[in-house]
Amino acid sequence: EIVLTQSPGTLSLSPGERATLSCRASQSVSSSYLAWYQQKPGQAPRLLIYGASSRATGIPDRFSGSGSGTDFTLTISRLEPEDFAVYYCQQYDTSITFGPGTRLEIK
Amino acid sequence: EVHLVESGGGLVQPGGSLRLSCAASGFTFSDHYMDWVRQAPGKGLEWVGRSRNKANSYTTDYAASVKGRFNISRDDSKNSLYLQMNSLKTEDTAVYYCARGGSGSYYSYRYWGQGTLVTVSS
Repeated sequence: EIVLTQSPGTLSLSPGERATLSCRASQSVSSSYLAWYQQKPGQAPRLLIYGASSRATGIPDRFSGSGSGTDFTLTISRLEPEDFAVYYCQQYDTSITFGPGTRLEIK
Repeated sequence: EVHLVESGGGLVQPGGSLRLSCAASGFTFSDHYMDWVRQAPGKGLEWVGRSRNKANSYTTDYAASVKGRFNISRDDSKNSLYLQMNSLKTEDTAVYYCARGGSGSYYSYRYWGQGTLVTVSS
């Protein structure tokens, strides 16, 4: 099983700042089969990024994904108030696993 | 427009059984893998299992934590996915989401249902 580790566990930032979230895999994720999701309280997760760097339909361009192999990054260039949420990475190379999440909170 | 609507959640005693349903619309159901993902209260997301599509003979995979206790099935004529949960444990308490997979083996989840809460408690 591919284990995903996300850091930091909690990130405290202010609107307008840049957020950098990390996801590390226990083994290489082939063909960048890595996705990122945003989840707000009481809601289902929302797909942001798939294939490590492709934005899903309707996702603002302030969200970007990068990385390959075992190290992946989600960057939010300028935080908007609605971006404060929990973010999960997911690999879909070998079965499916999710990371534990990063909570992005308002500083 | 794609819609996924789960139902069947509720309170069940440890050792009991429950069957969840997911009604799908807005896409060709038989073309897609369909998955169940769960989220325990205040915790992260956990993949439960999946049903492959018609082209892949509707075969299923399960997470180790539920293998042998849970069974995923589907009825393409009703555009519905099911999760039969047996021998339930307190640690199975979670919101259960159905999610649309791809038409092949590698996919992320563009579409999710709203979830249904299962509580396992005496």
